[in-house]
Amino acid sequence: AQSVSQHNHHVILSEAASLELGCNYSYGGTVNLFWYVQYPGQHLQLLLKYFSGDPLVKGIKGFEAEFIKSKFSFNLRKPSVQWSDTAEYFCAVNAYNQGGKLIFGQGTELSVKP
Amino acid sequence: GAGVSQSPSNKVTEKGKDVELRCDPISGHTALYWYRQSLGQGLEFLIYFQGNSAPDKSGLPSDRFSAERTGGSVSTLTIQRTQQEDSAVYLCASSLGTGRNNEQFFGPGTRLTVL
Repeated sequence: AQSVSQHNHHVILSEAASLELGCNYSYGGTVNLFWYVQYPGQHLQLLLKYFSGDPLVKGIKGFEAEFIKSKFSFNLRKPSVQWSDTAEYFCAVNAYNQGGKLIFGQGTELSVKP
Repeated sequence: GAGVSQSPSNKVTEKGKDVELRCDPISGHTALYWYRQSLGQGLEFLIYFQGNSAPDKSGLPSDRFSAERTGGSVSTLTIQRTQQEDSAVYLCASSLGTGRNNEQFFGPGTRLTVL
């Protein structure tokens, strides 16, 4: 069965620090990859997505992610975090032959100290 | 409306009762998904509808769970004989389709508490 692993459960950073959240998936075929964010009291919203092409994708609010096929990874990065980035971040995978369903990682809670 | 809507936003029920959760997808979206978000289990896929195809029910945890989508739009998730372990936030999402159209837009969720 496919699975998605997010290495960090809770990350605490100070403002202006750089962020990298790890995401690895287990599936040998073609995949679509997503990062979703859930701000406190709000519902899930899409940060960025990868379908094909350039493995470095840019999303909203200065986030980017790099797909490394050989490592089955799709890590999320931001050079300088802000207090408003405090949220829970979810990596998700859609396997190409599995219809549209997303398999999510366990989530990483990010706390940014002002 | 502009986004996915779900009702009720909160539901408290007693163990053994049946509950129905409703989802209104974004107009024109052919794909509709149900997920469950609970402590310790993260976000789990439950079921997905795509157009007129048979739904993918592979994520439903037991036969107490069922869902239907009427007229290709509104969907209802039904949980029969609720158990305490069913307590979770039930999320609905919709997308234009699959593949490159599989950007899923999520609703606010229904928080279900089974006493």
